Amino acid sequence: KAGVTQTPRYLIKTRGQQVTLSCSPISGHRSVSWYQQTPGQGLQFLFEYFSETQRNKGNFPGRFSGRQFSNSRSEMNVSTLELGDSALYLCASSILAGGPDTQYFGPGTRLTVL
Amino acid sequence: AQSVAQPEDQVNVAEGNPLTVKCTYSVSGNPYLFWYVQYPNRGLQFLLKYITGDNLVKGSYGFEAEFNKSQTSFHLKKPSALVSDSALYFCAVRDTSNQGGKLIFGQGTELSVKP
Repeated sequence: KAGVTQTPRYLIKTRGQQVTLSCSPISGHRSVSWYQQTPGQGLQFLFEYFSETQRNKGNFPGRFSGRQFSNSRSEMNVSTLELGDSALYLCASSILAGGPDTQYFGPGTRLTVL
Repeated sequence: AQSVAQPEDQVNVAEGNPLTVKCTYSVSGNPYLFWYVQYPNRGLQFLLKYITGDNLVKGSYGFEAEFNKSQTSFHLKKPSALVSDSALYFCAVRDTSNQGGKLIFGQGTELSVKP
C-alpha cells in the first residue's frame, strides 16, 4: 500500500506570497493532520481534518488554513508568507482520528521563504 | 496541560551497545504513547506505540519501549545499537483534552551511534 505523499517536496517563495501544499493520505485513511517542524519550535500541530471537517486547530494565525476533499486528500494554504514560515510541513494520515490510532507521516514539504 | 519531555538532546552510543532514549509524559487519564524516528530530510517513521496491557512494547527494527506508569515514563530501548540507528527520535502522546487525534511531541533526541 502506498504511503502518504506530499507535493511539492521543496518550495521557495518570497515574503508576501501565498503557498498551497498538498497531501494524499494512505488509501482508506480518512483523517489528515498537519504539523510544522522548525529547529526552534520543534513539531507543532497545525490542524486536523476528518471526513472533510476540521476537528482540531493548533495555535497558528489565520494565515494558515486547510481543507479536505471528499477523497480524503488535503491541502493547506499559507497566505502573506513571512520569513518565520520557513519550515518542514508534515502531513500525517490515520484511519480514524484520536484514540490509539497511529498517524503515518509523509516525507514533508520543505518551504523556504526569502 | 498535557506534555511530553525528552530530557536528552543527544545520546551517544557505541555500535553493539544497548541504547536508551528517555521520554516522560504528563497526561490526564490513560495515555496513548508513540515513538517516531526521523532520518535527515525525511518524514517521521512510526516505530511503536503503547495503548494498554503489557508494559514492554515491541516495535520495528528491533526497538522496544518500556511503559512505567508510576514514573510516567516511556523509554525507547534497543539491545544492540547499529550505526544506521543514528537519527532523530521523537516521543509523542495523544492529546485527549479534546476530540481528534492531535499528537503532542517531545523536542526530539539526536541519537548518534559510532562504529
